[in-house]
Amino acid sequence: DADVTQTPRNRITKTGKRIMLECSQTKGHDRMYWYRQDPGLGLRLIYYSFDVKDINKGEISDGYSVSRQAQAKFSLSLESAIPNQTALYFCATSELTGQGVDEQFFGPGTRLTVL
Amino acid sequence: DQQVKQNSPSLSVQEGRISILNCDYTNSMFDYFLWYKKYPAEGPTFLISISSIKDKNEDGRFTVFLNKSAKHLSLHIVPSQPGDSAVYFCAAYAGNNRKLIWGLGTSLAVNP
Repeated sequence: DADVTQTPRNRITKTGKRIMLECSQTKGHDRMYWYRQDPGLGLRLIYYSFDVKDINKGEISDGYSVSRQAQAKFSLSLESAIPNQTALYFCATSELTGQGVDEQFFGPGTRLTVL
Repeated sequence: DQQVKQNSPSLSVQEGRISILNCDYTNSMFDYFLWYKKYPAEGPTFLISISSIKDKNEDGRFTVFLNKSAKHLSLHIVPSQPGDSAVYFCAAYAGNNRKLIWGLGTSLAVNP
């Protein structure tokens, strides 16, 4: 079984709809992240959480919200989807090492299309 | 403003030859660098990393070189194999918040 899972894997929705993307992990990591990938723009951080009570905005948080329901679950919501939120969304987890570095482990991605 | 730059969007090499992927950065506070590999329809996977106190790190066919004075790092793959065909991302850490800053990626094609 995959360590980081994302549901759904693909979603097509209409402008104005509310969408939730879910992420679950079995790695036991405290840190979780949501990224989006657009062609030519690489990976951009939307939100991140270093533990259940910690939520932080990334570089492109406008139009998104998150919920850290448990250590293993981190969901991303689009309250009112718009076409420029069409992208590939990745969830990631990590654990800080003694060297102050945390390798991130990614889920398989969710392809979201907003019509 | 792109702090981590991968100026070559794509690279094509012959199987068995060396692949060299380059990455430049602008923030002198970056203290740890990572390379990730991404296949289509999959999430990125960690490949190799290097601390700013080193100038080289090797793991099998993969070697990362860091030139701090030039703010440049490179990933060498020797010998290249068709299974290495993927998008390679360079990323860097800086600051107490330890967020990763990502480059835009280089698509590597290794031809049989």
